[in-house]
Amino acid sequence: EVQLVESGGGLVQPGGSLRLSCAASGFTFSSYAMHWVRQAPGKGLEYVSAISSNGGSTYYANSVKGRFTISRDNSKNTLYLQMGSLRAEDMAVYYCARDLGYSSSWYNYFDYWGQGTLVTVSS
Amino acid sequence: DIQMTQSPSSVSASVGDRVTITCRASQGISSWLAWYQQKPGKAPKLLIYAASSLQSGVPSRFSGSGSGTDFTLTISSLQPEDFATYYCQQANSFPLITFGPGTKVDIK
Repeated sequence: EVQLVESGGGLVQPGGSLRLSCAASGFTFSSYAMHWVRQAPGKGLEYVSAISSNGGSTYYANSVKGRFTISRDNSKNTLYLQMGSLRAEDMAVYYCARDLGYSSSWYNYFDYWGQGTLVTVSS
Repeated sequence: DIQMTQSPSSVSASVGDRVTITCRASQGISSWLAWYQQKPGKAPKLLIYAASSLQSGVPSRFSGSGSGTDFTLTISSLQPEDFATYYCQQANSFPLITFGPGTKVDIK
């Protein structure tokens, strides 16, 4: 069974940093591109970032570019999102999601999602 | 960025009803469109990708159509477990992926 479990969310002050993790199991993690998508409380979905299956390519939404860094450790089956210079508008539930494509194929559709981890940005 | 709009923003329907949700892109996206279902407190679930391909395990009462700028999600016979919010998502302009604002389907 495919499972994605996020962790690392919490309360952080504006301007602060936080690292989110997403532990994957039930599939060959190193064969799939992975994504982060967020959802502000009571709001819709917003795309954040993506990383290729081998970690060699990374992509970001304009709203987080230069402040967030996506990475992965395929030996640990774990995806990361390092968030810096956090703002009030970054407050959201952050979901990791698996790309529908396999190996070098990117579909940019998300077939499995974690349960999400809440990031609260407040002083 | 490509803007996605959905209509209606909410719909009240009864079990057994046919429900249609429309998604429109601000520019052509070919068939690079997906539909997701989200229930309160839960992660989204992929229903349809590539505008009309049914994701594995999704009931056949869900169907998608369209290309270019106009797309439709249809639930042919609404079931109790289908009351949720539905989002469209364009994947044409990666990494500038965008979602629609959502359509809430609730009980009439």
